[in-house]
Amino acid sequence: QKEVEQDPGPLSVPEGAIVSLNCTYSNSAFQYFMWYRQYSRKGPELLMYTYSSGNKEDGRFTAQVDKSSKYISLFIRDSQPSDSATYLCLKGRGNAGGTSYGKLTFGQGTILTVHP
Amino acid sequence: NAGVTQTPKFRVLKTGQSMTLLCAQDMNHEYMYWYRQDPGMGLRLIHYSVGEGTTAKGEVPDGYNVSRLKKQNFLLGLESAAPSQTSVYFCASSYLFAGLNEKLFFGSGTQLSVL
Repeated sequence: QKEVEQDPGPLSVPEGAIVSLNCTYSNSAFQYFMWYRQYSRKGPELLMYTYSSGNKEDGRFTAQVDKSSKYISLFIRDSQPSDSATYLCLKGRGNAGGTSYGKLTFGQGTILTVHP
Repeated sequence: NAGVTQTPKFRVLKTGQSMTLLCAQDMNHEYMYWYRQDPGMGLRLIHYSVGEGTTAKGEVPDGYNVSRLKKQNFLLGLESAAPSQTSVYFCASSYLFAGLNEKLFFGSGTQLSVL
């Protein structure tokens, strides 16, 4: 089983829709997760990060972690054509007593298209 | 404000040829990474470095070598290119924030085709 699983899509939605992007992970020892956005022919860039459980909001974007289900989500409200990109979830390293362990692990990425 | 710079941006090789990809960062980051990205496979880690003079294997290291002689540079070498190494290669550097969280900065990628 892969440490991080992400539905690759592709996902196509109309402008203004609410988008839900999801990843599951297998090891509950890890505490922080990130979402990266990658435009075509560009390198990924950090969009949001979350630490521990709950929601984190930044403008139209909300990152959510559900540790009981080992599920992380990124919601995009009022989606725009400029949101069309590949979205990658990233599981961070573990933390035990102030020492990091393990490795960064990316999901496969979800291709999102928002059409006008 | 260069960030992470990769050269070259595109390259076509014949099977068996060798080449070196260069990654340079101007943010004084300790950690540097080389990933490859293939359709449906996401980003897979090839090699990484936690500081000048150190390197370590990642998830898919076979057929690649790396060197980190200077803190700002991380080189990826292909000794004898194979068609299976056709991919987009990304370099990244990172710093730690809020304790042990790590923020990655990526270059714009190198498209490599091996014929």
